[in-house]
Order: sequence, then structure tokens, then C-alpha cells
Amino acid sequence: QQQVRQSPQSLTVWEGETAILNCSYEDSTFNYFPWYQQFPGEGPALLISISSVSDKKEDGRFTIFFNKREKKLSLHITDSQPGDSATYFCAARGGWQLIFGSGTQLTVMP
Amino acid sequence: EAAVTQSPRNKVAVTGGKVTLSCNQTNNHNNMYWYRQDTGHGLRLIHYSYGAGSTEKGDIPDGYKASRPSQENFSLILELATPSQTSVYFCASGDWGAQDTQYFGPGTRLLVL
Repeated sequence: QQQVRQSPQSLTVWEGETAILNCSYEDSTFNYFPWYQQFPGEGPALLISISSVSDKKEDGRFTIFFNKREKKLSLHITDSQPGDSATYFCAARGGWQLIFGSGTQLTVMP
Repeated sequence: EAAVTQSPRNKVAVTGGKVTLSCNQTNNHNNMYWYRQDTGHGLRLIHYSYGAGSTEKGDIPDGYKASRPSQENFSLILELATPSQTSVYFCASGDWGAQDTQYFGPGTRLLVL
């Protein structure tokens, strides 16, 4: 079963726009949510993360919004750049394990 | 310098053959992980290890074995490779902590014919 769901599967935005990537989860015991960024031919790399005690985490152009009641979170990428084109994975820590979503492939058109 | 390296980067194997994927980390992390990545499934955990000499089953261990002979090295072994094991395999290392960040290698692309 897929405990972490991501949408959309793919997303195209124009340079300068805000990209919004969504994530939801099922298990209320999940307490830590990292987002990983993956470029073609490379391994995923941690981009930004949030714990369940916060409702917002910001790092430059990247912001996570977290709604614990609805078990949803979203990654906002403001002023999107072509270099942001990558696959983004939402993950959740359940106990000892990180559970990954299936990813959103983001394309930023110049 | 890359802290998690994998070899080989690409591998073609025949059905029924034995395949060994190797991973080395210089992060001095206790935990190491093997994932496979397939379109539509994201990253799925195959095996993991808490330290030298330990291996544990992840979510999809069938058809795979793992070996952790040292802190730095973690191998994934396919004793009898099947076409369904064609995938991209990622190794990662990490340690317990508030954030539990995992650091991934560049991946091995495996094709089983």
C-alpha cells in the first residue's frame, strides 16, 4: 500500500511562476517529512524538511506548508528557474524508516 | 569528493545469473540502505543495515540478499537475476537523529535480459 501520495505526477510551469507540489500521508504517527530533489542520472538529495511540530518551513525559494489535521503538505517553489527542473520526492519518517512517495516531475520552461 | 559511491554504474545481466552491486560510503554513518527506483513507485526499500555485520529486510526483500562486511561497504546480491529486477538501484547512508537525513549514491542501472 502507498502510505505517501504525491500529486501531480508531472507539472510544467513557466520561468518565474510558483510551482506547487502536493503530498499526503495516511499514518498519523509520521513526524518528519523531508523533500528530496533528483536530477536525471543522479541520486536524490535532501532539499528541505519539516517536522510535525511546525506548519511552515522556508529555505530561500522553497517553502513547505504542513497541515497536520488534514495529513497534507505542499512544497512551493517561487520564482521557478529552469535549473529547478527535476523530480521531487516527498517522504515521511515512520519509526526507523523513510517512506517515499512516487515523485513529481517538474519542468520549468524558459 | 562523493561520499557515497556505487559500482558498477551500469550492468547488463542474463536471467539466472548472479549480480552483485557494491556501495561504499565515507560518511562514517552507521546505517546503510538499498532502494530500487521504478517509474510510478518512487523509492522502495530492499534491505538496510545498522552497522557492520547486520542486515535487515526492507519492504521488498524477495530475490535479494545483502552483505555489510564493514562500516564503509554494503552490497546487494541477486543470486538468480530475473527480468523483473531490471531497475535503477540506489544505495544511501545515514545516521539516527532528529532529521535522519539519508545521503544517496549516484545509482546503478541494471538490465536483466
